[in-house]
Amino acid sequence: QVQLVQSGAEVKKPGSSVKVSCKASGDTFSNSAISWVRQAPGQGLEWMGGIIPLFGTTNYAQKFQGRVTISADESTSTAYVELSSLKSEDTAVYFCARVPSLYQNLWFDYWGQGTLVTVSS
Amino acid sequence: EIVLTQSPGTLSLSPGERATLSCRASQSVSSSYLAWYQQKPGQAPRLLIYGASTRATGIPDRFSGSGSGTDFTLTISRLEPEDFAVYYCQQYLSSFTFGGGTKVEIK
Repeated sequence: QVQLVQSGAEVKKPGSSVKVSCKASGDTFSNSAISWVRQAPGQGLEWMGGIIPLFGTTNYAQKFQGRVTISADESTSTAYVELSSLKSEDTAVYFCARVPSLYQNLWFDYWGQGTLVTVSS
Repeated sequence: EIVLTQSPGTLSLSPGERATLSCRASQSVSSSYLAWYQQKPGQAPRLLIYGASTRATGIPDRFSGSGSGTDFTLTISRLEPEDFAVYYCQQYLSSFTFGGGTKVEIK
């Protein structure tokens, strides 16, 4: 059973950065990709980007290019998303999710519990 | 970017009724690159359907998906109390995008 456990809630000031972690169980990193999805209050789901930890390759949604960095530490089976130059509109729940393939885009079969990031002065 | 449009925005139904949710893509995603998710308040989304019509592990058979090209449907044959939630479609042919969601609420 795959488990993705995310770090706790964050409160940040506008203009600062936030880094959220997602620890995966077992050998998830050897056969999967990890994506990050966010959900603003009362809104829908928005894909931010993803990483294939085994290869270190990343891709990002155009909207977030230049402001988001996704990384992974294979030794601890932990993926990270860092978002910089925070604005109030970045207030959202951030989810990590597993893609069950190294070589192609597929569905998201397991999700983390979500991390609330609040941006407020 | 492939845009997904879900309709209706809200569906008001009673337990035991049939729910039909629509997802339309701005360009073809073939029959293999479309998934459906269920999300309840305060929870992460849950995978229901992938490949447009394959149920994920543990999903009851009252949930079914159909469609190809640009038009897809999620059908819940008989609504159970736990099925009232928000449903999202997602395409994964070209990067990833989600539809805006359909809320299934109790009438």
